[in-house]
Formats: sequence, C-alpha cells, structure tokens
Amino acid sequence: NAGVTQTPKFRVLKTGQSMTLLCAQDMNHEYMYWYRQDPGMGLRLIHYSVGEGTTAKGEVPDGYNVSRLKKQNFLLGLESAAPSQTSVYFCASGSGVTYEQYFGPGTRLTVT
Amino acid sequence: DAKTTQPTSMDCAEGRAANLPCNHSTISGNEYVYWYRQIHSQGPQYIIHGLKNNETNEMASLIITEDRKSSTLILPHATLRDTAVYYCIVRPDNAGNMLTFGGGTRLMVKP
Repeated sequence: NAGVTQTPKFRVLKTGQSMTLLCAQDMNHEYMYWYRQDPGMGLRLIHYSVGEGTTAKGEVPDGYNVSRLKKQNFLLGLESAAPSQTSVYFCASGSGVTYEQYFGPGTRLTVT
Repeated sequence: DAKTTQPTSMDCAEGRAANLPCNHSTISGNEYVYWYRQIHSQGPQYIIHGLKNNETNEMASLIITEDRKSSTLILPHATLRDTAVYYCIVRPDNAGNMLTFGGGTRLMVKP
C-alpha cells in the first residue's frame, strides 16, 4: 500500500515550457487535491476533484489545468510555466466523508 | 468561513507534554476542528479532528472548550520527531471539501 505517490520529485523548467505532474493513490479515494506551498507559507489549494471525470477550481487555479480520467490518478498541468509557479506541489486524496486527507511527498518545481 | 489564530512558534522539552492552542471564535455550530502537522519538507499529516467533545487517538488529544471558541492539541510526551509546523483548521462550511491551511505553529521540541 503505497498511499499517495507523486512524479516527478524534482523538476527545473524554463519560462514558457510545459509539464505535467502526476499523482496516484491506491486507497480508492473519491476526492483528490492539488496544493502548492511557497517558501515559509501555508498550503493553498489549486484544483480538486470529487470523483473520476470531475474537476473544480480551488483558491489559486490560474495558470494550471487538471484532469481526472481515472479514479486513482490526478494530473496537474502547467501549459506555459512562469517563475511565479516556482513552488512545492503536494497532491492529496481523501474519502470525502471527512476532511482527513492523505498527502504525497511533494514535487519541488523551479521555473527559471 | 471561520478563521483560526495560532501562535507563530512554541518550544517544548523532550518528554514533556506539548500544548498547542488555537483560537476559532467565529466557528459555527456544525464546523469541525482539524489538526494537521507538517514535518520539514514532507507532506502534511492528519492528526485528529473533533466537533465538540474531546477526542484522543494514538497520536494526540484534542480538547475543545465548551463554547467551541478555542481548542488545544496535546502531544502527551513530545519527542524530537514531533518538531513540525502544526495547523489548526476549521472545516469551511460552504467550500466543498477544501482545507484551508494558514500559517500554523512551528513547534520545536528540544532535548
């Protein structure tokens, strides 16, 4: 039981490049989330999904897109990376019955 | 949405109880109090949650005042591995299943 895994762990992009972050969970959770955490700050919700095929905007959705084609996977895309998107990205999943969420180890992204 | 206020930082001696306070004076009747922690560079970890009664699990105890305007997370025997940022979160009533993480309390457990 791996819990929540994220790929990749680290990435450096140049401004304007695109990339996709992959989150996978093996707990059969309906809900999945993408957060970002800037240095010295708390987490902020980017997008979330309440089930396969659904997505919704969080607190800071601009510049990101997401997809949930399979229940166990939640993808976060950056179409044209900007330095302001330099951050640590955390994926989480939960049953939706409570706010008990399980987080992945994070992806550290640097945009130069 | 109910907001929370926590001290920015606290110290605790190893082996002693760590008592982390949280003020949530605008909490509404059906909002829960959740506690998470984040150890350096790791993803946040769920600790405990409660509505009005005190709660205890293998990690911690949660004490909520009778008027529900504040709560305290208690780590009964703090270890060095409990050094982390602790977040007190009130579940927003109208925001789906989102969690909003504020600044939290940086707990330093010292030998």
